[in-house]
Amino acid sequence: GIQVEQSPPDLILQEGANSTLRCNFSDSVNNLQWFHQNPWGQLINLFYIPSGTKQNGRLSATTVATERYSLLYISSSQTTDSGVYFCAVPESTDSWGKLQFGAGTQVVVTP
Amino acid sequence: NAGVTQTPKFQVLKTGQSMTLQCAQDMNHEYMSWYRQDPGMGLRLIHYSVGAGITDQGEVPNGYNVSRSTTEDFPLRLLSAAPSQTSVYFCASRGHEGYTFGSGTRLTVV
Repeated sequence: GIQVEQSPPDLILQEGANSTLRCNFSDSVNNLQWFHQNPWGQLINLFYIPSGTKQNGRLSATTVATERYSLLYISSSQTTDSGVYFCAVPESTDSWGKLQFGAGTQVVVTP
Repeated sequence: NAGVTQTPKFQVLKTGQSMTLQCAQDMNHEYMSWYRQDPGMGLRLIHYSVGAGITDQGEVPNGYNVSRSTTEDFPLRLLSAAPSQTSVYFCASRGHEGYTFGSGTRLTVV
């Protein structure tokens, strides 16, 4: 099946700093999502981004499908950005039966 | 627009008890699914449904039943709870803009 690798595994930021999270995938995909799991365990959909660039406030994401990677940018980080960030792709291009998640990037933003 | 609603948020069961985790969505999504999240194991697919009356097994279906009588609801039933089913359970539905997850049910089986 498709492999999803995220880097870095852990990230400690001071409030106000910028950062980039990366997601590499081993096969062609026609869909990709970024999620934020907050410290209370909720999984929040950040971006649905099969290709191109999207922005939502201080967050933006870029997917280069032909090169099999996606990037999530956090600018001017805040303590509320803490949590785990997952990227996820369909297990196969012809099925939405299962999302394959990366292992996540644990982000801690300190005041 | 409530999205995906899961109930209860927390539950403690004794071994052997049965219960139903409820999931409802108001986005008219055809596709719904249940995942469990365990430390070190990530999110694993339990069951999914591509529409009313149609369900299929995911990666870890044993010990769980599902049914889909309406587009809105997709309950997950634990037949005889075991400590190995202690986990956080997430329901999700999929639309044109990807998956939306519910807030989760934290289940402890003692």
